[in-house]
Amino acid sequence: SAVISQKPSRDICQRGTSLTIQCQVDSQVTMMFWYRQQPGQSLTLIATANQGSEATYESGFVIDKFPISRPNLTFSTLTVSNMSPEDSSIYLCSVAGSPGDRTDTQYFGPGTRLTVL
Amino acid sequence: GDSVTQMEGPVTLSEEAFLTINCTYTATGYPSLFWYVQYPGEGLQLLLKATKADDKGSNKGFEATYRKETTSFHLEKGSVQVSDSAVYFCALTSYSSASKIIFGSGTRLSIRP
Repeated sequence: SAVISQKPSRDICQRGTSLTIQCQVDSQVTMMFWYRQQPGQSLTLIATANQGSEATYESGFVIDKFPISRPNLTFSTLTVSNMSPEDSSIYLCSVAGSPGDRTDTQYFGPGTRLTVL
Repeated sequence: GDSVTQMEGPVTLSEEAFLTINCTYTATGYPSLFWYVQYPGEGLQLLLKATKADDKGSNKGFEATYRKETTSFHLEKGSVQVSDSAVYFCALTSYSSASKIIFGSGTRLSIRP
């Protein structure tokens, strides 16, 4: 399976600021996703990162708050904009469709633990 | 729409006990089924999967069998270890969910020595 890294692994930020999270994969993948996991909760899909075009956002998530880039098949960024304490969560990227693997199986990065004060 | 229901935790067992975490699903068509594990302070790891009825997924001593007649995918392990303490998520993908993962709520498992 693909090896996925995220930067930063954790951060503490002040309200009103923005943080950009990077997701890097060691092989080209068909699909990349961004999730949020609030404390003690399951995962919620934020958006699908589309290579070379605008991301596809889920209900309740908007581009102004969570801009996403995917310039190529191995890299994506998620920005959490104008942060508030309610944005304190773990943010995870996932990938699917690496060479020789099915696109219905997602593999997850280690996550970015964000605390907003 | 598609959904996954798993037993609520926390579940606390003694080392070497038998583990079952129940998972049932609702989906149209023929979903693929997964168990993911999240160890403390880490991201999600794929534990096992099954893609068609009667398939058995297995890994690290854990097993789950895709039961279409009961729409279930229960996770089992014969003898748990302290290192198995984690949160376990049952999940599915299906054509009707456009290949997006539908997660259960997660079950926290604690193993005491």
